[in-house]
Amino acid sequence: KQEVTQIPAALSVPEGENLVLNCSFTDSAIYNLQWFRQDPGKGLTSLLLIQSSQREQTSGRLNASLDKSSGRSTLYIAASQPGDSATYLCAVLSGSARQLTFGSGTQLTVLP
Amino acid sequence: DVKVTQSSRYLVKRTGEKVFLECVQDMDHENMFWYRQDPGLGLRLIYFSYDVKMKEKGDIPEGYSVSREKKERFSLILESASTNQTSMYLCASSSDVSEQYFGPGTRLTVT
Repeated sequence: KQEVTQIPAALSVPEGENLVLNCSFTDSAIYNLQWFRQDPGKGLTSLLLIQSSQREQTSGRLNASLDKSSGRSTLYIAASQPGDSATYLCAVLSGSARQLTFGSGTQLTVLP
Repeated sequence: DVKVTQSSRYLVKRTGEKVFLECVQDMDHENMFWYRQDPGLGLRLIYFSYDVKMKEKGDIPEGYSVSREKKERFSLILESASTNQTSMYLCASSSDVSEQYFGPGTRLTVT
């Protein structure tokens, strides 16, 4: 059964810092990996999707990488801002049922 | 823009009531999903559907049922609500193995 782990569980940084969030998964036979952002009490906003054949995706200040063979992904946020404060979730699509398995998230706080 | 809408943002129901949560997507996606999210337990898949009138059990289907009569609409039904079903419910849709798009969520409280 696929398991997804995110480290750290919480992170607090001063504004302007570059930071990296980590995600690992146990079964490398995935279709894709998706990074989401969730604000308190809200739904999930998709940030980046990396297909299994890709190594990285970029959107603005965000860059996500995928190393399928080692079961790892990172989300790099450049020049962090207070508005980036949220919980970031990693999820992998895998299995014959093509289900998304989520990590427990990293709660990010960017201090002004 | 893909849009996934859910019928209510907040809902309060009494124990034993029948509860309907509605989800509509406007992108002609084949796949639709219902999740619940609880502190410390993360997101868990309740039911999903790959086509009209099709449904598959997820990880925690007990106490729930679903209906998909039209491609754009996927309903989650709590036949007899219980307090342990108090949770945030999230609907999502996707096409094939592409990106999943989520709705804003329904926070359900069962008293």
